[in-house]
Amino acid sequence: GESVGLHLPTLSVQEGDNSIINCAYSNSASDYFIWYKQESGKGPQFIIDIRSNMDKRQGQRVTVLLNKTVKHLSLQIAATQPGDSAVYFCAENRSVPGRRALTFGSGTRLQVQP
Amino acid sequence: DAMVIQNPRYQVTQFGKPVTLSCSQTLNHNVMYWYQQKSSQAPKLLFHYYDKDFNNEADTPDNFQSRRPNTSFCFLDIRSPGLGDAAMYLCATSSDSGNYEQYFGPGTRLTVT
Repeated sequence: GESVGLHLPTLSVQEGDNSIINCAYSNSASDYFIWYKQESGKGPQFIIDIRSNMDKRQGQRVTVLLNKTVKHLSLQIAATQPGDSAVYFCAENRSVPGRRALTFGSGTRLQVQP
Repeated sequence: DAMVIQNPRYQVTQFGKPVTLSCSQTLNHNVMYWYQQKSSQAPKLLFHYYDKDFNNEADTPDNFQSRRPNTSFCFLDIRSPGLGDAAMYLCATSSDSGNYEQYFGPGTRLTVT
C-alpha cells in the first residue's frame, strides 16, 4: 500500500551484519515485485526483482524471498556496508489489463552503524 | 550511458505561478511516468504515458498536467502551484518489451514560496 505516515520505520544494523527488510502486499493478483534503494536526494535505484512464479532470487549480496501464501516479500542484504544506508521500497505490479504501473510500499530506512 | 535526465534539479516557484518540469530519456522506452514524492513517503504516481496514451491516476489533482511531444521527452506542468505541491518530482521510464522495472531519473526538488 501507499505510505501516509511521516515517519519511516527504521532498521539499524552494525556494519558486517546481515539485514532483513520486510514488505507486506495486499493484492494476490500481483505478478511481479521489485526492490528499490533510494539514497537521500536521489531517485530510486533498482536492486532486485522477482516474478510471482518464483519464491527466491539471489543477486550480489542481496536475496529476495516471496511468500505468496501470506503476501510477504523480504529483502536480505548480506554483510551490510555503510553504503547500504538508504530508504528501501518494495513495489508490486498489480497485473491490471492496460495498466503498466507499479504500486510502492511505504519504505524502510536502513541505517548502518560503523 | 542510457539514462533518464531531469531538469532542473532544483526549482523554486511562487505560489500560483505556473511551472514546468522536464524529463528526457535515452533508453527509447515507450512508457514514461511522473511521481510526486514528499518527505519520508513513497513515490506517488501522478500519471503515465503508454506510448502516446495518457493515463491519469484517479486522485491526481487537475492542477497537474502532462505533455509528451515525442518518445524522448515528457513534461509536468503545474498550473497554479500551492504550498502543498512542494515535493520531489520523479520521472521514470519502462519498456513493455521487458519486465516491469522502471528506471528513475534523479528528480526535481520543487520549492513553492
